[in-house]
Amino acid sequence: EIVMTQSPATLSVSPGERATLSCRASENIGDNLAWYQQKPGQAPRLLTYGASTRVAGIPDRFTGRGSGTEFTLTISSLQSEDFAVYYCQQYYKWPPCTFGQGTKLEIK
Amino acid sequence: EVQLVESGETVVRPGGSLRLSCVASGFIFDNYDMSWVRQTPGKGLEWVSGINWNGGSTAYADSVKGRFTISRDNAKNSLYLQLNRLRPEDTALYHCARVYGGSFYYFDSWGQGALVTVSS
Repeated sequence: EIVMTQSPATLSVSPGERATLSCRASENIGDNLAWYQQKPGQAPRLLTYGASTRVAGIPDRFTGRGSGTEFTLTISSLQSEDFAVYYCQQYYKWPPCTFGQGTKLEIK
Repeated sequence: EVQLVESGETVVRPGGSLRLSCVASGFIFDNYDMSWVRQTPGKGLEWVSGINWNGGSTAYADSVKGRFTISRDNAKNSLYLQLNRLRPEDTALYHCARVYGGSFYYFDSWGQGALVTVSS
């Protein structure tokens, strides 16, 4: 199965600053990557798919980039509601589709 | 509004069985493939099983193959997961999730989850 590795495990950033989260695939997955946001006590929420396409209603401060094995999710000008755990997921080869272990974005 | 609501919290002994349910609303259920994804603090999100729109095709993670069975009842807008021969490592929050579609196997809607605890 394809292994997804996210870094860092925890990222401390001040409100208003930019955060960049990384996700690496163990093999080429093209652009078959999705990003999710999860807040405490809530279900994951799909943010982007196709590596860079934002879901309707997701603010444009969320930007996904990358292809092949290296991907990033950049959140420009962090708002208080953006502090959460973020997961990447590949859907190039399934079953199984696989998730990264998550990056916790916390307030600095 | 799309809603997915899983059955409630359950405690079961190792080796035991239980069935999870997920009721869907706000969309045409039989237009979509569905999946179960579980979540633990240690392992994060793990895809468990998936089923196509009419129940004719199913898939399982290796960790649950032969022990879990996914099914659906489109007349009741419901998704199920039968969990047999449970192990302590199956302890997790089980989410049902709607698959976006086709070969694009990502999840555009999720339920809040049903907590399964396997403990003696």
